[in-house]
Amino acid sequence: AQSVTQLDSQVPVFEEAPVELRCNYSSSVSVYLFWYVQYPNQGLQLLLKYLSGSTLVESINGFEAEFNKSQTSFHLRKPSVHISDTAEYFCAVTVVSGGYQKVTFGTGTKLQVIP
Amino acid sequence: GAGVSQSPSNKVTEKGKDVELRCDPISGHTALYWYRQSLGQGLEFLIYFQGNSAPDKSGLPSDRFSAERTGGSVSTLTIQRTQQEDSAVYLCASSPLIMNTEAFFGQGTRLTVV
Repeated sequence: AQSVTQLDSQVPVFEEAPVELRCNYSSSVSVYLFWYVQYPNQGLQLLLKYLSGSTLVESINGFEAEFNKSQTSFHLRKPSVHISDTAEYFCAVTVVSGGYQKVTFGTGTKLQVIP
Repeated sequence: GAGVSQSPSNKVTEKGKDVELRCDPISGHTALYWYRQSLGQGLEFLIYFQGNSAPDKSGLPSDRFSAERTGGSVSTLTIQRTQQEDSAVYLCASSPLIMNTEAFFGQGTRLTVV
């Protein structure tokens, strides 16, 4: 069975500083990787995804994540955060096995950007 | 519909009562998921449907919780004899049976047990 680990439950960071939100997964089969974001009082929405090809994927608002197969990681990074990035971020893995497709989420990391 | 729809958006119930939470997935989406989001607890997996069958029910916290899906579409999560610890936001998500697509979430049902 697959699992997703987000070790940091909360990450405070000053505005315009860089940030990295960590995500590690375990799976014996090929995976597809996702980051979702939940802004305060809103639903979850997709931030970016890795399917195949280039291991570095980017979002439209400056976040990027790199798929590292050897380390089974998919860490999310941003070189300079804004107040508006304050949200909870969830890493997710999709695995197809035995004819079933299942999405497994990590427990989330709350990013708090400090002015 | 255009997105995943959940109803009611808010539900306040007395301890010991039964509640039903409804999820209308995006039309044509084969996979449907229920999650629970409690304050400070992150996203907790409850159950997963592929069509009308539930290959993974491992996340249901007790036998008071059950879920069904009919016609490969609407799903209902039922909580019997609600307890205060059941208070949370219950999220539903759906995705097509195509391995490289995202899950689309509803806005959730906020359940408060008093």
